[in-house]
Amino acid sequence: EVQLLESGGGLVQPGGSLRLSCAASGFTFSSFGMNWVRQVPGKGLEWVSYITSSGSSINYADSVKGRFTMSRDNAKNSLYLQMNSLRDEDTAVYYCARAGYGGNTPDHWGQGTLVTVSS
Amino acid sequence: SALTQPASVSGSAGQSITISCTGTSSDVGAYNLVSWYQQHPGKAPKHMIYEGSKRPSGVSNRFSGSKSGNTASLTISGLQAEDEADYYCCSYGGYNTWVFGGGTELTVL
Repeated sequence: EVQLLESGGGLVQPGGSLRLSCAASGFTFSSFGMNWVRQVPGKGLEWVSYITSSGSSINYADSVKGRFTMSRDNAKNSLYLQMNSLRDEDTAVYYCARAGYGGNTPDHWGQGTLVTVSS
Repeated sequence: SALTQPASVSGSAGQSITISCTGTSSDVGAYNLVSWYQQHPGKAPKHMIYEGSKRPSGVSNRFSGSKSGNTASLTISGLQAEDEADYYCCSYGGYNTWVFGGGTELTVL
């Protein structure tokens, strides 16, 4: 069974930093691209970033480009999102999602971790 | 920009409903890579349709997807109370980027 477990969320002040982690199990992690997707409470989903299976290529939404850094450690079956220069509008539940079906679809999702940016 | 979905739809138990998802020639219209997700309150999204019309294993055949031009659609037939949830469409946008719709709240009357 595919399992994704996010951690690292919490309360941070504007301008601060936070590092999210996603622990993967139940599939060959090194064979799949991965995504981060966020959701402001009560609002819709927003794609944040994607990393290829090897980690050699990473893409970001314009809203986080230059502030967020996505990475992975295939030896540890783990995915990361380093978030710097956080803003109020970054407050959201952050989900990691596997890129299944040939990498074209976020298929399996974790339960999410809440990041709150507030003074 | 986000894909356009109706904010809400409703239908009686047993009936069918369709949720539309309108994008552009750069996303929905360019690729046959639209997926649909069901999200119950406080839960993670669950994929219901991928590549426009394919159903993952375990998803009821009451759920079906289609596309015409820049608009994709999700149809749910034989509505059941458990179908009441938020539904999101998502399209590949090229260059390893994705775009989601704003979401549609489905109410089963």
